[in-house]
Amino acid sequence: QQQVKQSPQSLIVQKGGISIINCAYENTAFDYFPWYQQFPGKGPALLIAIRPDVSEKKEGRFTISFNKSAKQFSLHIMDSQPGDSATYFCAASAINDYKLSFGAGTTVTVRA
Amino acid sequence: DTAVSQTPKYLVTQMGNDKSIKCEQNLGHDTMYWYKQDSKKFLKIMFSYNNKELIINETVPNRFSPKSPDKAHLNLHINSLELGDSAVYFCASSQGGGGNQETQYFGPGTRLLVL
Repeated sequence: QQQVKQSPQSLIVQKGGISIINCAYENTAFDYFPWYQQFPGKGPALLIAIRPDVSEKKEGRFTISFNKSAKQFSLHIMDSQPGDSATYFCAASAINDYKLSFGAGTTVTVRA
Repeated sequence: DTAVSQTPKYLVTQMGNDKSIKCEQNLGHDTMYWYKQDSKKFLKIMFSYNNKELIINETVPNRFSPKSPDKAHLNLHINSLELGDSAVYFCASSQGGGGNQETQYFGPGTRLLVL
């Protein structure tokens, strides 16, 4: 059973547009929410992460929004660039869990 | 300087064969993982080792056997390969024992195709 539900499965955005990926979870013990970026033929790499004590975290063009009461978090990619074309995975974990629960992934295609 | 390396990068083999994938990290991390990524890109953890000790075994068939000779290496041996084992296998590592809350560094993946 998937503990983190991610949507959409794929999205296409024009260069300069905003990409939005949503994730939802049920386990209230989750307290760490990273996003990983994976380019074709490569391993995933940490992009940005948030803990539930803040509602938003921004790093460059990437922003995580977190809604603890709704048990949802999302990734916004502002001013999307062709180089952002990749698969994005949300994930979650609880302290002492020793593992990340990954969402199913969203393939983002940015058209020039 | 590759942080997490895996060999081989590609592996094509026949059903029923036994094969191994090797992983090494030079980051000095204490925890290492094996993940399986299927054709739909879903990432599923298989095993996790902390300081050479198994801490996660996620209902993986016992045809899969990890071995950690030291904390810098985590190898994966697969017996009696089946068609459904075709996937990309990723090794990863993280700094300490609380690997779930720390950045995981992934290797480049091993693409296994069972014919």
